[in-house]
Amino acid sequence: GQQVMQIPQYQHVQEGEDFTTYCNSSTTLSNIQWYKQRPGGHPVFLIQLVKSGEVKKQKRLTFQFGEAKKNSSLHITATQTTDVGTYFCAGQEINTGTASKLTFGTGTRLQVTL
Amino acid sequence: NAGVTQTPKFRVLKTGQSMTLLCAQDMNHEYMYWYRQDPGMGLRLIHYSVGEGTTAKGEVPDGYNVSRLKKQNFLLGLESAAPSQTSVYFCASRFRGFDEQFFGPGTRLTVL
Repeated sequence: GQQVMQIPQYQHVQEGEDFTTYCNSSTTLSNIQWYKQRPGGHPVFLIQLVKSGEVKKQKRLTFQFGEAKKNSSLHITATQTTDVGTYFCAGQEINTGTASKLTFGTGTRLQVTL
Repeated sequence: NAGVTQTPKFRVLKTGQSMTLLCAQDMNHEYMYWYRQDPGMGLRLIHYSVGEGTTAKGEVPDGYNVSRLKKQNFLLGLESAAPSQTSVYFCASRFRGFDEQFFGPGTRLTVL
């Protein structure tokens, strides 16, 4: 079955430093979504990427979808303590029908200290 | 709007006991999903439903059953709980035609 891996598993940065998490799928994806989960909370949708090579920005967050549609990345510029949480990518395989089942990555836990 | 709610928030079971987790959404979403989250493994899909009266298996369905008798509710049942089912369970829902999933607050289940 499809596998989605993320690296690193954990990263600890000082406030103001940049952070990047990488996501790799074993199969070509129809699209990829990113979610953020605060400690003790539930996943919250951040963004969806659909096109090959697509780049989207949300304030300090930059999301990229690879040309082959098998990998993606999330880059945070100048981290803040509010960025603390676990970031998950979730890939949708091609031809999964109308259910749009997602395969979640293993997640990257970000810790930010002052 | 309450969004997606889950009942109960916490539960402790003994091996062999049964229970039902309830997910309710008031957004008129067609699709609903049950996931489990274990440390270091992300979220794994247990079962899902594309509409009232329909259910299908996800990645890890063994030991679980589901029912969707009403569009707004999606029930997850454990007939005979095992320690391996200790996890945090999340329900999610979405509109047909939109891929964003909305998650409930989760149920933390411990099986002793």
